Amino acid sequence: TQLLEQSPQFLSIQEGENLTVYCNSSSVFSSLQWYRQEPGEGPVLLVTVVTGGEVKKLKRLTFQFGDARKDSSLHITAAQPGDTGLYLCAGENQAGTALIFGKGTTLSVSS
Amino acid sequence: DAGVIQSPRHEVTEMGQEVTLRCKPISGHDYLFWYRQTMMRGLELLIYFNNNVPIDDSGMPEDRFSAKMPNASFSTLKIQPSEPRDSAVYFCASSPDRGDNQPQHFGDGTRLSIL
Repeated sequence: TQLLEQSPQFLSIQEGENLTVYCNSSSVFSSLQWYRQEPGEGPVLLVTVVTGGEVKKLKRLTFQFGDARKDSSLHITAAQPGDTGLYLCAGENQAGTALIFGKGTTLSVSS
Repeated sequence: DAGVIQSPRHEVTEMGQEVTLRCKPISGHDYLFWYRQTMMRGLELLIYFNNNVPIDDSGMPEDRFSAKMPNASFSTLKIQPSEPRDSAVYFCASSPDRGDNQPQHFGDGTRLSIL
């Protein structure tokens, strides 16, 4: 069974701090997607990483796909209250029939 | 452009009642997905459609759950009879295609509470 484990489950930090959240699996994924979900809303796609070792930047957010394509990380520099939300990673199952989601990291950034 | 539209946003009803959740996907998207989100289990795929045809319903928990897509612009998820353990946020999502690089566009969900 393919699983995506996300850590930490909860993270509470002050504005201006840096943080990293992780998405790990024992299975290989052809790509991984990262979504952010704000309270009362649906998840919104942030980025898709496709190539092993790939690094993508989205303003203060840096996404990395592991060389073996089994894990990914999201690093946020100088976090702001607007970064608060649930961060989800997702990848397609081996049959290509479903998107598997991790349970997410809930991030709270206070000013 | 209009995103995925779900209704109602909130539903509170007593156990045993029939519940119908509605979804309008983004125009031109061939795939429609229904998910359920809970604290314990996270986001789980219930069923998805391609060109209005149900493709994989292996995530539907029980026969009490059913989903239809009568046309390209409308889908329903029905629970009959409802039970307290069905309480969750239900999301509908659509995408233009399947594949690793295809993002899914989510609605804002229906928060369902079964008393």
